Amino acid sequence: DIQMTQSPSSLSASVGDRVTITCRASQSISSYLNWYQQKPGKAPKLLIYAASSLQSGVPSRFSGSGSGTDFTLTISSLQPEDFATYYCQQSYSTLSITFGQGTRLEIK
Amino acid sequence: EVQLVESGGGLVQPGGSLRLSCAASGFTFSSYWMSWVRQAPGKGLEWVANIKQDGSEKYYVDSVKGRFTISRDNAKNSLYLQMNSLRAEDTAVYYCARVGAARPPEGYYYYYMDVWGKGTTVTVSS
Repeated sequence: DIQMTQSPSSLSASVGDRVTITCRASQSISSYLNWYQQKPGKAPKLLIYAASSLQSGVPSRFSGSGSGTDFTLTISSLQPEDFATYYCQQSYSTLSITFGQGTRLEIK
Repeated sequence: EVQLVESGGGLVQPGGSLRLSCAASGFTFSSYWMSWVRQAPGKGLEWVANIKQDGSEKYYVDSVKGRFTISRDNAKNSLYLQMNSLRAEDTAVYYCARVGAARPPEGYYYYYMDVWGKGTTVTVSS
């Protein structure tokens, strides 16, 4: 199975900060990488698919980049509603989909 | 409105069975792969199973193979997860998700879970 490792596991930041979350795959997955946001008690929400494509309705302050094994999710200017947990997920192997362990973004 | 609504969760004893359902509305259900994803209390997301549009292909995470069965009824716009031989470690919120797809210039389709239900809670305990 392809292992996905996110860093950091948790992060404290302030409103207005630029934040970057990293996701590394255990083998090359080309651009088959998605990012999700989850708030407490809620279902996950798709933010980015195919490594860098912004899902419809998602604010443009969210962006994704990377290819191969290393990927990043960037929030250009944190807003109060962005404090949540973020997950990466590989779709390279549709027979065995895997998520990263999550990155919890907290208010400093 | 595109919507997925799960049901069927509850408290079950170890070794017991449960059948989850997911009712889809607002889109052409038969055109999409569908998935089940679970989240144990305080833990991250774990993909459980996928099913192709016509039900001809099904894939499972290793930990549920031989115990869980994913199925669908396109006439009823419904997705199911039959869970047998349940264990304490199956305790989780179970989400159903629609699998969207985008076609790149070359290579395989990009797949992503673009619509999620609110989840149903399964607790396995004596």
